[in-house]
Amino acid sequence: GEDVEQSLFLSVREGDSSVINCTYTDSSSTYLYWYKQEPGAGLQLLTYIFSNMDMKQDQRLTVLLNKKDKHLSLRIADTQTGDSAIYFCAEKAYSSASKIIFGSGTRLSIRP
Amino acid sequence: ETGVTQSPTHLIKTRGQQVTLRCSSQSGHNTVSWYQQALGQGPQFIFQYYREEENGRGNFPPRFSGLQFPNYSSELNVNALELDDSALYLCASSPAQGAGPDLEAFFGQGTRLTVV
Repeated sequence: GEDVEQSLFLSVREGDSSVINCTYTDSSSTYLYWYKQEPGAGLQLLTYIFSNMDMKQDQRLTVLLNKKDKHLSLRIADTQTGDSAIYFCAEKAYSSASKIIFGSGTRLSIRP
Repeated sequence: ETGVTQSPTHLIKTRGQQVTLRCSSQSGHNTVSWYQQALGQGPQFIFQYYREEENGRGNFPPRFSGLQFPNYSSELNVNALELDDSALYLCASSPAQGAGPDLEAFFGQGTRLTVV
């Protein structure tokens, strides 16, 4: 089956690192994504990782993939107030129509 | 800004009515996907259109239907609206059918539909 799970809330202090975790079930997933959604806005693709990779770094963002445990994480270094948003983990299932399966989202709030 | 535009931005309808939502895909994109995002949830895949044909469907009843036009813009139609249809409807366009990692990354701002 296809299911993506992530914790609902995360609160971090400004300047600290944020780590958002996600688990997925579809072992045939080829791409895993992190999207950001700010209030009243659509979805912005932050980064993605191909399923044969373990890690990907892009400026302040680091994605770690543990394919054996089907666990994906997003680390945001030096978290800023502008990082406040909902972060969605998602997988691309090649089983049909290349649809993207999203988790329920993690709301990241930043404490001063 | 992704170049994907949706209209209207907000809409209020009465239960039992019909609604049409519109999406203009980014220039050069021939694939459009529609998602429903209920409050506090992640987006759920409704269906995808590729070169004017439906190319896969999620777990939504037949009263959710769509069209894609020769210019690759798209419509989502929902008949016999129910209260649970209240959600943000997102359109995503991509340049080809399902090939690469960021080809479905271009989401519009969404249409917020409220059914009363």
